[in-house]
Amino acid sequence: GAGVSQSPSNKVTEKGKDVELRCDPISGHTALYWYRQRLGQGLEFLIYFQGNSAPDKSGLPSDRFSAERTGESVSTLTIQRTQQEDSAVYLCASSAQGSGSNRELFFGEGSRLTVL
Amino acid sequence: GNSVTQMEGPVTLSEEAFLTINCTYTATGYPSLFWYVQYPGEGLQLLLKATKADDKGSNKGFEATYRKETTSFHLEKGSVQVSDSAVYFCALNAGGTSYGKLTFGQGTILTVHP
Repeated sequence: GAGVSQSPSNKVTEKGKDVELRCDPISGHTALYWYRQRLGQGLEFLIYFQGNSAPDKSGLPSDRFSAERTGESVSTLTIQRTQQEDSAVYLCASSAQGSGSNRELFFGEGSRLTVL
Repeated sequence: GNSVTQMEGPVTLSEEAFLTINCTYTATGYPSLFWYVQYPGEGLQLLLKATKADDKGSNKGFEATYRKETTSFHLEKGSVQVSDSAVYFCALNAGGTSYGKLTFGQGTILTVHP
């Protein structure tokens, strides 16, 4: 597609339920990132995928969070047993492989998660 | 660790006013520096970047200069427009094993009134 696509755009769930958030990156982009933006705070890095390399999961806040990516396509972020502090906007970004610190990230519009 | 500190908002200006949004950073090595902007209802998008000391990034009338001596990357625009109303994020990429991972500031909300 033309840009990074995320779904759902909004999700309201009850505490304790599992949720899945989907990201469809820009075609041809080998790198994919998940960030979280809690109200009034900056973006927190969650996880990074680069091609077939092992993902960098160093930003995942707990073992309730996991993410998968098949090849260089769609990624799914799963949050199990959601808690109220998981309420945030979850942003996905993709980038073309290039010189490490210089690459531009292209962001989706985000999935707003509200845990009641 | 790496961190970015931005001027707290919100910032409210009249059209044609001068804008400065301060950004300072802490990082090892020689990071690349970025400003991203998020317009209402849209995803973040790159506004400008600078990859080495004394570089000036510019786009859409906005400028920022990479100042290694003061570890700063302040965003400026000489005459803002209503259409510049958005959230602005300063970010760094430390490179090396950090590859494309960006460290963001908390964002600054800018509102420009006619």
